[in-house]
Amino acid sequence: QLQLQESGPGLVKPSETLSLTCTVSGASISSSSYYWGWIRQPPGKGLEWIGSMYYGGSTYFNPSLKSRVTISVDTSKNQFSLKLSSVTAADTAVYYCARLSNFNWYFDLWGRGTLVTVSS
Amino acid sequence: SYVLTQPPSVSVAPGKTARITCGGNSIGSKSVHWYQQTPGQAPVLVIYYDSDRPSGIPERFSGSNSGNTATLTISRVEAGDEADYYCQVWDSSSDSGVFGGGTKLTVL
Repeated sequence: QLQLQESGPGLVKPSETLSLTCTVSGASISSSSYYWGWIRQPPGKGLEWIGSMYYGGSTYFNPSLKSRVTISVDTSKNQFSLKLSSVTAADTAVYYCARLSNFNWYFDLWGRGTLVTVSS
Repeated sequence: SYVLTQPPSVSVAPGKTARITCGGNSIGSKSVHWYQQTPGQAPVLVIYYDSDRPSGIPERFSGSNSGNTATLTISRVEAGDEADYYCQVWDSSSDSGVFGGGTKLTVL
């Protein structure tokens, strides 16, 4: 069954780096048809695209977050990861990993999401 | 950066038709996608490429896109359709994904 599952700490201190991993099961992350990305949703607010990466290395980032974001892919583990540096309380959100079709650029499969709280 | 504008809320009686709009500059020249999100759940794709439905999505869900407005139409609305709906495009000028602010659909 095709699934995406986020994992990582639920609590991060201000100024530190948020790190999350998304494990893909039931499909290969090396597919030529998809990018893999991250979207977040602050409590009670809307969706915000963070960035997306192709297994071959091509990346796209939200301009407002670009300076703080790193996305990487590990094809041997069928995983991809997010790092967001210098976090503040404004980065508190549910973080979703998702598969992005590179034909019409829509997110056709989402993980269940994981809440990350930034607090000391 | 490209901006998508949605009404914060739409209300509709059961059995009627709900229309949720998504405004953007020349959005008709872009592919628009729609997601449904119920409380506590991840978003689910309900319309892609303006008007195509993924497998498993009822025919009651349809989409259109022209000019500066894209529209998600839900016919014969059911209580289970109550959710937040988000439109999304890919802005090729900045190579960025863009979401609308979301619309809360209330079934009266």
